[in-house]
Amino acid sequence: DIQMTQSPSSVSAFVGDRVTITCRASQNLNRWLAWYQQKPGKAPKVLIYAASNLHSGVPSRFSGSGFGTEFTLTISSLQPEDSATYYCQLANSFPPYAFGQGTKVEIK
Amino acid sequence: QLQLQESGPGLVKPSETLSLTCNVSGGSIGSSSYYWGWIRQPPGKGLQWIGSVYYTGSTYYKPSLKSRVTISVDTSKNQFSLKVRSVTAADTAVYYCASAFEVAGNVYWGQGTLVTVSS
Repeated sequence: DIQMTQSPSSVSAFVGDRVTITCRASQNLNRWLAWYQQKPGKAPKVLIYAASNLHSGVPSRFSGSGFGTEFTLTISSLQPEDSATYYCQLANSFPPYAFGQGTKVEIK
Repeated sequence: QLQLQESGPGLVKPSETLSLTCNVSGGSIGSSSYYWGWIRQPPGKGLQWIGSVYYTGSTYYKPSLKSRVTISVDTSKNQFSLKVRSVTAADTAVYYCASAFEVAGNVYWGQGTLVTVSS
């Protein structure tokens, strides 16, 4: 069973700040990692796939990087609408699809 | 664009079986590009992948849930289903159906349905 660990569990930052979230996997994922944004009461939305590819319609202030067992999601200039919980997920072309425990991003 | 919609009882008694169905529209569940899955989220907690099914009927489950879960696909109805046996209060969650497209992750999601386990 692959374990996905995110850090930090929560972060509070000002509008315009750069925010970075890390995801570590217990096994080598190559580049098969996705990032999601979830707002309260809503289904998650995919932001990044294959570690660094921006999903259609996602603002360019979001970016992803990493390979193997360590990955990062960066928001280059935090906006009020970015207040949400972010999840990483093992996302190969076949299951399993384990999630990290989530990182809550709040605006100061 | 695919649309997914969960349906099923919102209240299940302890020790009974939770049953949900996901209806797929806007595309064929027989597509070789997708895995069809169930993901749940207990109140105030994170996302948990439960399992997935391919159009051929091949299934994949989270190991810790495998003994209680069955996911199946019905290509004639363009839907797939989830059964969780012997439920307890720990199975109370919002249950989402979702489709995973190649390496793009879970691109399409249902709106989610809250299932409460209580007598």
